[in-house]
Amino acid sequence: DAGVTQSPTHLIKTRGQQVTLRCSPKSGHDTVSWYQQALGQGPQFIFQYYEEEERQRGNFPDRFSGHQFPNYSSELNVNALLLGDSALYLCASSLPATSESYEQYFGPGTRLTVT
Amino acid sequence: LAKTTQPISMDSYEGQEVNITCSHNNIATNDYITWYQQFPSQGPRFIIQGYKTKVTNEVASLFIPADRKSSTLSLPRVSLSDTAVYYCLVGDGYSTLTFGKGTMLLVSP
Repeated sequence: DAGVTQSPTHLIKTRGQQVTLRCSPKSGHDTVSWYQQALGQGPQFIFQYYEEEERQRGNFPDRFSGHQFPNYSSELNVNALLLGDSALYLCASSLPATSESYEQYFGPGTRLTVT
Repeated sequence: LAKTTQPISMDSYEGQEVNITCSHNNIATNDYITWYQQFPSQGPRFIIQGYKTKVTNEVASLFIPADRKSSTLSLPRVSLSDTAVYYCLVGDGYSTLTFGKGTMLLVSP
């Protein structure tokens, strides 16, 4: 058990709706990253939060936004849902980056289905 | 970020040793090589990380030649529960993780 928790586990939404996914990092970790994984593909980086700020961002539109709270937990928000947003959304936590630290701990993911 | 190339799939039988090779021709001096394992509908799990030569832990070994342009993940005596997708990633701790499609390993009885 990696210690990262995500909620909900499954979610069904309709096109155009908005969704919020939640993540609690592993104890002692202060950096949270979000990934989108479509069926049959590897996870794709969405963004990373550290000290309550977005530190890095992948190639995702502004419909994808996030937040990190003082307790290091994080939310991923997706507005104006499209059918193509259907995927497994993964949260990963890690210690502050160093040149040698490349280990991230992933949660079980939230399966989002957009109909 | 250095791009990686690995086989799409591999088949093996229980008890055999499995070696998955990853190519990363444009690896940078500061880059480490990291392997993750992912089961269906679960998040990836860190397996092993190395910089050069050989690294071994309780689940796998990682072999890295001197030129570091490739690496080989070795899984000793695989079992059915090792059936999963294995990802090879290259980068330093400041880089975001860039996953390819990985290698689907199927272990049969």
